[in-house]
Amino acid sequence: EVQLVESGGGLVKPGQSLRLSCTGSGFAFADYTMSWVRQAPGQGLEWVAFIFNKPHDGTIAYAASVRGRFTMSRDDSRSIAYLQMNSLKTEDTAVYFCTRGDSTSKIDHWGQGTLVTVSS
Amino acid sequence: DVVMTQSPLSLPVTLGQPASISCRSSQSLMYSDGNSYLSWFQQRPGQSPRRLIYKASKRDSGVPDRFSGSGSGTEFTLKISRVEAEDVGLYYCMQGTYWPPITFGQGTRLDIK
Repeated sequence: EVQLVESGGGLVKPGQSLRLSCTGSGFAFADYTMSWVRQAPGQGLEWVAFIFNKPHDGTIAYAASVRGRFTMSRDDSRSIAYLQMNSLKTEDTAVYFCTRGDSTSKIDHWGQGTLVTVSS
Repeated sequence: DVVMTQSPLSLPVTLGQPASISCRSSQSLMYSDGNSYLSWFQQRPGQSPRRLIYKASKRDSGVPDRFSGSGSGTEFTLKISRVEAEDVGLYYCMQGTYWPPITFGQGTRLDIK
């Protein structure tokens, strides 16, 4: 069974940093692309970042709203994807979902999400 | 960016009756390989999203066959042939043809009349 488990969420002040982790199991992690998608309270889904797997040189893409502040990476040896979030703003408050993708779709499976709250 | 527009945004349905959600993209989602990378996701209350449909019309394993996806170009539809109580929640379309960014529709809230 495919499982994606996020961790690292919490309450931080504006301008601070946080690192989210996503541990995958039940599948060959290195063979899949990974993304982060967020959902602000009572709002819809917003794609945040995407990382290819090795055959595509691990290319990374970011949403304009986080580019320059967030950094996505992956450690295939540990089956973990990361999202380093710097210079956090109140508008970054959301549940952050880790997702997996393959040739059928950029997103096929979702984790349970981790809540990030940015507030003074 | 490709803008995804869903309608309606709220969909009250009687149990056992059909339901239909429309998703329109601001440009054709047909990729050079002949596929339209349009997916549909269901988000039940308090849960994370779950993919129902990919490549516009292919149903995921384990998804009841009362769910179906159709469409091409810029017009796509998710249909539920007979709504059940467990279908209550939010439904999102998503395009992955022209990215970044990957873009979602605003979401359609389905509830029972």
